[in-house]
Amino acid sequence: NAGVTQTPKFQVLKTGQSMTLQCAQDMNHNSMYWYRQDPGMGLRLIYYSASEGTTDKGEVPNGYNVSRLNKREFSLRLESAAPSQTSVYFCASRTGFPNQPQHFGDGTRLSIL
Amino acid sequence: DAKTTQPPSMDCAEGRAANLPCNHSTISGNEYVYWYRQIHSQGPQYIIHGLKNNETNEMASLIITEDRKSSTLILPHATLRDTAVYYCIVSPTGNQFYFGTGTSLTVIP
Repeated sequence: NAGVTQTPKFQVLKTGQSMTLQCAQDMNHNSMYWYRQDPGMGLRLIYYSASEGTTDKGEVPNGYNVSRLNKREFSLRLESAAPSQTSVYFCASRTGFPNQPQHFGDGTRLSIL
Repeated sequence: DAKTTQPPSMDCAEGRAANLPCNHSTISGNEYVYWYRQIHSQGPQYIIHGLKNNETNEMASLIITEDRKSSTLILPHATLRDTAVYYCIVSPTGNQFYFGTGTSLTVIP
């Protein structure tokens, strides 16, 4: 059981390039989430999808777009990468039943030069 | 903004109980308390959660005060592999998680 799988694990971009981070879960979860974590800080929510076909902004959505491709997959797109978006990106999922916990992937480490 | 306050760091001797406190004085009646930990830069690992009753699972125990304004995560027999950053989170639905900076727990041999 892989849980939450994120690809790629590492990526280096130049300023202005675009990129899509992929996330897939095999737990039949309804809800999925994207976070970023900057050095020495906790995770901050970028976007989430409470169910297939819906997406909502989190705490720090500017500069990002998301797509809930199907129940398993939730992608995060940087249209024009900026150095301020250098971070570790985590995807999470949960069942969607009230109050159930989120389960996280191992992250994508993104550097923007 | 995080709705919880945790000490920035703690030490614990290997084999002893680690008691990690969390203040959440503004918690609402429908908000659950969740605990996660993050080892090195891995993805956060779910530990336990609860509303108002004490909870226990194979990893830890969660003690929530009667007024629900604070809680304590207890790792009964800490090992070196428990060295991590521990996050206490309150959330009404499980969707909007606000992570603070957590408590960095170091287990000492």
